[in-house]
Amino acid sequence: ETGVTQSPTHLIKTRGQQVTLRCSSQSGHNTVSWYQQALGQGPQFIFQYYREEENGRGNFPPRFSGLQFPNYSSELNVNALELDDSALYLCASSSGTGGSPDGGYTFGSGTRLTVV
Amino acid sequence: GENVEQHPSTLSVQEGDSAVIKCTYSDSASNYFPWYKQELGKGPQLIIDIRSNVGEKKDQRIAVTLNKTAKHFSLHITETQPEDSAVYFCAASWSDYKLSFGAGTTVTVRA
Repeated sequence: ETGVTQSPTHLIKTRGQQVTLRCSSQSGHNTVSWYQQALGQGPQFIFQYYREEENGRGNFPPRFSGLQFPNYSSELNVNALELDDSALYLCASSSGTGGSPDGGYTFGSGTRLTVV
Repeated sequence: GENVEQHPSTLSVQEGDSAVIKCTYSDSASNYFPWYKQELGKGPQLIIDIRSNVGEKKDQRIAVTLNKTAKHFSLHITETQPEDSAVYFCAASWSDYKLSFGAGTTVTVRA
């Protein structure tokens, strides 16, 4: 059984650019959630995808968008990057929707994004 | 929305001693309370979780207690070992789609 894999592991972008982060969910999981973790803080929920549709969204602007593909993998896109977007972006997969899935959420190791 | 507060922010214990981390939550509808361990350069790893129909849960050296009336839950690690050194996060969720995390506790186990 494979876990959650994210790519790339590190990325440096210039303010105003666009970035795409990728996530492959754990085998058997059909839901993907994205979180932003600033340095020294807890992860903050961005959005969740289930059956290729956005299932819920946190307090993030529309320049944060995502996709889920038929194989349950997912992308996070961020447009017009700002310095404050520098953070660790975490992908978590789970089985089914809802905040308390059986088996919990499995997190990937994240993508460290630095905006300069 | 749900607000989770976590204390202490840092905790240093002698190897073999116990460590306790406490969290409070604001939304009485929350019914799922996981704890995650995050090591440097890695994503959070689920170590134990508890649901609102249970007051306590144990897994070897780790235990979690939940007091729904007071809206707080705690993580207890007994017989701490150097490999327990990490950042620990509590989280809360109800029947919606997201986890609300605490700010984290950096645990250092001194040999």
